[in-house]
Amino acid sequence: SQQGEEDPQALSIQEGENATMNCSYKTSINNLQWYRQNSGRGLVHLILIRSNEREKHSGRLRVTLDTSKKSSSLLITASRAADTASYFCATTRAGGSYIPTFGRGTSLIVHP
Amino acid sequence: DAGVIQSPRHEVTEMGQEVTLRCKPISGHNSLFWYRQTMMRGLELLIYFNNNVPIDDSGMPEDRFSAKMPNASFSTLKIQPSEPRDSAVYFCASGDTGGSTEAFFGQGTRLTVV
Repeated sequence: SQQGEEDPQALSIQEGENATMNCSYKTSINNLQWYRQNSGRGLVHLILIRSNEREKHSGRLRVTLDTSKKSSSLLITASRAADTASYFCATTRAGGSYIPTFGRGTSLIVHP
Repeated sequence: DAGVIQSPRHEVTEMGQEVTLRCKPISGHNSLFWYRQTMMRGLELLIYFNNNVPIDDSGMPEDRFSAKMPNASFSTLKIQPSEPRDSAVYFCASGDTGGSTEAFFGQGTRLTVV
């Protein structure tokens, strides 16, 4: 069963707007990762945040982690049409194996 | 490195036939994962290898599914006999557990069982 669940399931915005996706999970984690999947392609790793970190940035991406609420958010600023894709969060369990467990993803459409 | 390489990219087979999916992980990675992706169930882990040894196969649906990793550069996922409900996209991913646990995905094999 999925460890993480993304919200919303689908998001439609205009180019230039910010996109925020959320992920909730159930058990204690070692780290949380965000991936992107373009249609018909494999998943591509975007960013990893460790359980002792609260915020991380990479280019136009900003990830936050709140372990007390067991939740994370991914913010894409100044979105572009090329950001259109599905976005997944994946967690690795604390004290467990290194297996990333994925949610169902958020489908993002950015209109030019 | 060319990344994780999966073959074939597409497979159409008749119910009851044997299907073999292949994966070449990134050189130097010590972890290999097989995932299955469907609209209904999302991305499910089937099996996880570490240093060529199966560590967690609890996600393998039933005895019709088997996976092997004879060496560090090759893995197979076999379905015998195949059924229409096995239709999905199957992904292989590799990673380095000594590093960040990031998984590098192949392009996937789209399997259609008719």
